[in-house]
Amino acid sequence: AQSVTQPDIHITVSEGASLELRCNYSYGATPYLFWYVQSPGQGLQLLLKYFSGDTLVQGIKGFEAEFKRSQSSFNLRKPSVHWSDAAEYFCAVGPTSSNTGKLIFGQGTTLQVKP
Amino acid sequence: DTGVSQNPRHKITKRGQNVTFRCDPISEHNRLYWYRQTLGQGPEFLTYFQNEAQLEKSRLLSDRFSAERPKGSFSTLEIQRTEQGDSAMYLCASSPPAAGGVTGELFFGEGSRLTVL
Repeated sequence: AQSVTQPDIHITVSEGASLELRCNYSYGATPYLFWYVQSPGQGLQLLLKYFSGDTLVQGIKGFEAEFKRSQSSFNLRKPSVHWSDAAEYFCAVGPTSSNTGKLIFGQGTTLQVKP
Repeated sequence: DTGVSQNPRHKITKRGQNVTFRCDPISEHNRLYWYRQTLGQGPEFLTYFQNEAQLEKSRLLSDRFSAERPKGSFSTLEIQRTEQGDSAMYLCASSPPAAGGVTGELFFGEGSRLTVL
């Protein structure tokens, strides 16, 4: 079955510290991969996406993610977290064959940033 | 603001009542999606339109749910005979025509929260 697992439901980091949010997926083939962020009262915003090519992708707000096919992972990283990064983060996968935009989301990781 | 707009933002209703949510996508986007998000979970796909055609429906979309997109512009999601289990955030998203066969970013609205008492 197709699924996305975000093992960490809640993560707390200090402002200025580095961040890594984990994402593992189960899919029949290499899917399209996405990270979205959801702030309270806001819609989901795309941080970055991987379709093909370079496995290290850069996104907005200083985020990057690395696709590792052998580990079926697409972890999100940021070298120095800002207080404004506190939000909920969702990893998602989408089909490469039909390309309908039908995404499967993980359950999300809530990031809390300590001053 | 030219983003995806959803109304109402919050709806409280009694069990058994019907509710309707509206989504206005970004004007040049031909694809429109409905997702449902329950507390502590990621969004789950419900249905998808390309222009006015509803191309795919999840089995989550029971026969009490109906979605339309007349004229390929705004869309409505109606839930009939609401149940407490329908309480959730209903998210709408839109995306532009696929370029080179690749779907670009989904742009999400802020959602419509349904509370069924």
